[in-house]
Amino acid sequence: GAGVSQSPSNKVTEKGKDVELRCDPISGHTALYWYRQSLGQGLEFLIYFQGNSAPDKSGLPSDRFSAERTGGSVSTLTIQRTQQEDSAVYLCATGGRSQGSYEQYFGPGTRLTVT
Amino acid sequence: AQSVAQPEDQVNVAEGNPLTVKCTYSVSGNPYLFWYVQYPNRGLQFLLKYITGDNLVKGSYGFEAEFNKSQTSFHLKKPSALVSDSALYFCAVRVNLPGYSSASKIIFGSGTRLSIRP
Repeated sequence: GAGVSQSPSNKVTEKGKDVELRCDPISGHTALYWYRQSLGQGLEFLIYFQGNSAPDKSGLPSDRFSAERTGGSVSTLTIQRTQQEDSAVYLCATGGRSQGSYEQYFGPGTRLTVT
Repeated sequence: AQSVAQPEDQVNVAEGNPLTVKCTYSVSGNPYLFWYVQYPNRGLQFLLKYITGDNLVKGSYGFEAEFNKSQTSFHLKKPSALVSDSALYFCAVRVNLPGYSSASKIIFGSGTRLSIRP
């Protein structure tokens, strides 16, 4: 079946603008994660959804970052008043406890560049 | 605190030699452990996992990993390295969320860059 998809694949924005990143999970996957990866670096956990609720928002860097998930499916990550340090690849991953396993399936990411 | 550590930023191996990428963890309860690989300009891919059962688990591309409970380690191994194995490797562990009976999240190590020279 279809994998995790993310849009846009690339986003260039001016400092101070708001951006919205989208993640379409694999159908039926209940868990959804957002991560941030700076060039060649590790994964920084941002937020985790189980269904539509977010039990763990501990990784959001500031109140400029927010995320929501509706219908237990699509999720959007919003960054307000973007700053240059927000430039990174934003990765979405999904997984399903109902699948009997806990591995995650990653989308291709959205490369965000703040100029 | 629950965590996962990859002590080596970079591992260099000659093609044909065995390789090991190290991972140690600290979690409460039984650990669920994972390895992921990220090839240049490509997304993260799942390699293998340990949930329960045999301590030696086999995964994609000829990789395997050994779970060692006493040493709290889950090192990634391959008997004979290929140049095409050069990539960024991440170890990950499932941790329970405090206050939730069934919710958990996956946390990742900092990554190890594996470089295989011809």
